[in-house]
Formats: sequence, structure tokens, C-alpha cells
Amino acid sequence: DAGVTQSPTHLIKTRGQQVTLRCSPISGHKSVSWYQQVLGQGPQFIFQYYEKEERGRGNFPDRFSARQFPNYSSELNVNALLLGDSALYLCASSLRLAGGPYEQYFGPGTRLTVT
Amino acid sequence: DQQVKQNSPSLSVQEGRISILNCDYTNSMFDYFLWYKKYPAEGPTFLISISSIKDKNEDGRFTVFLNKSAKHLSLHIVPSQPGDSAVYFCAASSNNNDMRFGAGTRLTVKP
Repeated sequence: DAGVTQSPTHLIKTRGQQVTLRCSPISGHKSVSWYQQVLGQGPQFIFQYYEKEERGRGNFPDRFSARQFPNYSSELNVNALLLGDSALYLCASSLRLAGGPYEQYFGPGTRLTVT
Repeated sequence: DQQVKQNSPSLSVQEGRISILNCDYTNSMFDYFLWYKKYPAEGPTFLISISSIKDKNEDGRFTVFLNKSAKHLSLHIVPSQPGDSAVYFCAASSNNNDMRFGAGTRLTVKP
């Protein structure tokens, strides 16, 4: 079975540009979450979507937005890129059963470099 | 606010011995705790989890212990193997909402 896939794997952008990252969850998973991981730190929560609705948002500026499509795939958009947005962006999917196990399965990430 | 903390950035153990990785949290609303392992150039891989209604969960060589009164959990790996060398992240969530991660501990298992 295919795991979580993300595209592109690497991306180089300049300050002020906009970027769109894509994620396809594991088949049957209805929840997708996005994380930002900078070097030396753990993943920082950005968004969670479940059944195409935003269910959680981390402490990130409004330049960050996301959406989930009917097939449960998701996009993360970042506008007006800053140097500090350079990071590994991870997507994770889960079944998200209320009160049940909440293991998230991560994709390999998209490495974004802002110059 | 760092609600999940892993205070040891690195740990080195000999093959065959026990590895103990520690994690502390501050939010008493967390009700589910997980450990992830991460190799370079890969996303984190789920390892083991524990619900707040339990104090121990075991899966092969891996055991997670939860001490709710101390807001502390630990991962024990016995026996440690060189292939266990990776960065280990502790994570916590409440009501199946956003998951908070620690900064990670780099485990090195020496042959």
C-alpha cells in the first residue's frame, strides 16, 4: 500500500514569492495535518483538516493557508515567503477516530529553501 | 510555548544494552502520547503509543511508560541495536487534535 506522498521533494523560492505544497494521504485516511520542521527542532503543527474542514490551526501567520479536497488530498500555501520559512514541511495522515488511536503517518516531506 | 520537552538532545549506548529516552509535558489535557523515529531524509515513523488511561505499553523491544502525576513518559529499547540509531521524537495530543512534538533525542547505538 502506498504511504503518504508529498510533492515536490525540494523547492527553491525567493523572498516574497508564493508556494504550494501538495500531499496525498494513505488510502482511507480522512485527516491530513501539516507540520513545519526547522533544523534541530521537532515538527511544529500548522494545520489539521478532517473531512475537508479545518479542525485545528497552530501558531502560524495568516500567510499560511491550506485546504483539503474531496479525495482527501491537501495543499499547503504560503504567501509572501520569508527567509525564516525555509524548512522541511511534513504532511501526515490519520484515521482520526474520536477517542481512538491517533497515530499519524508522515510523508517524506518537502524541503523548502527561501533565498 | 513548548508543551512537550525532550531535555536530552543526544544519547549514546552500547549494542545490547538498554536505551531510555525521556520526555516531559506540561499540558494536563494531553490524553494520547506517541513516539516517532526519524531517519535522515525521511518523515517520522510511528513507533509506539500510549493512552492516558494506561501506564505501560509494550511492543517487542519497545516499551513506553507514562507517569501522569509527574507528566513524564519514557521509551525503553531493550536490547538496543545499531539499526535503532535515529532521532526519536515524543509527541502528545488532546481530543485527537493537533499533535505537539518535542525537539527530539538523537540515539546512537554503538556496535
